[in-house]
Amino acid sequence: QQPVQSPQAVILREGEDAVINCSSSKALYSVHWYRQKHGEAPVFLMILLKGGEQKGHEKISASFNEKKQQSSLYLTASQLSYSGTYFCGTDSTGNTPLVFGKGTRLSVIA
Amino acid sequence: DTGVSQNPRHKITKRGQNVTFRCDPISEHNRLYWYRQTLGQGPEFLTYFQNEAQLEKSRLLSDRFSAERPKGSFSTLEIQRTEQGDSAMYLCASSRGMNTEAFFGQGTRLTVV
Repeated sequence: QQPVQSPQAVILREGEDAVINCSSSKALYSVHWYRQKHGEAPVFLMILLKGGEQKGHEKISASFNEKKQQSSLYLTASQLSYSGTYFCGTDSTGNTPLVFGKGTRLSVIA
Repeated sequence: DTGVSQNPRHKITKRGQNVTFRCDPISEHNRLYWYRQTLGQGPEFLTYFQNEAQLEKSRLLSDRFSAERPKGSFSTLEIQRTEQGDSAMYLCASSRGMNTEAFFGQGTRLTVV
């Protein structure tokens, strides 16, 4: 079951914050976040395992609420380099390949 | 660590022809995945290997698609009798195991004319 991401697209000015959400209809074991720039391969950002932990990567952090089967990616003080499409990938058992959402296109403008 | 390498980067083929793509994973990674990505969509899982064993292939799009990973090193994805609907980016990724960071290759863009 493909996770649902929201919003589909967002435009930010440099320095603004954004939240990208990822929801699943199935119980989740883990959520993986990737960023893909146009014409490039997806690049790993972080993994969140069930347990509700929150992780951070520079000014990008994420949370995972396993009861709600949701994860959120937080981008603070956005930079031009944050532009790209963000994908969440979900694993429901801990041993299955990721199912990716359709992505959220983030554009950061000066 | 030279990353995941995919060849060719681009392939244009006529409908009905067979094509084969190659993926060289990061050398110490035992898991290798194939995904397909179309414009505006996330990567769609096709199949994966642990070493030379193909653990999941039910998601391959049809029996025209097949994949191998002889000796647990590089992998090939073959599409027989290509159709225009097969046009897409085919991505390969590798990882040390489940729930670890997966590294993606640059992909092979297939255009079927």
